[in-house]
Amino acid sequence: QVQLQESGPGLVKPSETLSLTCSVSGGSISGDYWSWIRQPPGKGLEWIGYIFYTGSTNYNPSLRSRATFSVDTSNNQFSLKLRSVTAADTAVYYCARGGNYLEHDSWGQGTLVTVSS
Amino acid sequence: DIQMTQSPSSLSASVGDRVTITCRASQGINNYLAWFQQKPGKAPKSLIYSASSLQSGVPSRFSGSGSGTDFTLTISSLQPEDFATYYCQQYNSYPLTFGGGTKVEIK
Repeated sequence: QVQLQESGPGLVKPSETLSLTCSVSGGSISGDYWSWIRQPPGKGLEWIGYIFYTGSTNYNPSLRSRATFSVDTSNNQFSLKLRSVTAADTAVYYCARGGNYLEHDSWGQGTLVTVSS
Repeated sequence: DIQMTQSPSSLSASVGDRVTITCRASQGINNYLAWFQQKPGKAPKSLIYSASSLQSGVPSRFSGSGSGTDFTLTISSLQPEDFATYYCQQYNSYPLTFGGGTKVEIK
């Protein structure tokens, strides 16, 4: 059974870049879509976008082109960079496997990122 | 963007009750709908995909139905471990969007 684990700084200063990595174990990153999803404290879920194992991407326009994904198939990892963060980007960030149709069948435990000076 | 509207936003129910949660899409999404369960401090857990297909390992008391714009998640006999927040998500078109959630609380 595939397992996902997010890692990265828990505190980022306003205007800086948030960087997270998702490590995949128990299965190969190849052949699947991999999403980033976030959840502000006490609020609902927002899809940030996905990266396919080949490197093709799809981003949510709401992020206004601030997000960039990358994939490292040799290390079974994929990453998120979110530029020019503000307090509104404070959230629990999840990585998830897309599944056959982007129905998100497996999720990481999530990591809280706080944007504050 | 496709808006996903869940109702109710919260409900109180007792163990053994039959519970139904509704998710409505602002435009047709075929059957490209998933349901998730989220407990406090935990990641969402996939329950149902393609509107009515149960994920492996999910108890059969959970079921989903619907197509087009109107969907339901039913818990046939609520168990203590089912008290949680439930979300729907459409994957018919980009950007993927989630409903606002339905919190199921103990009566």
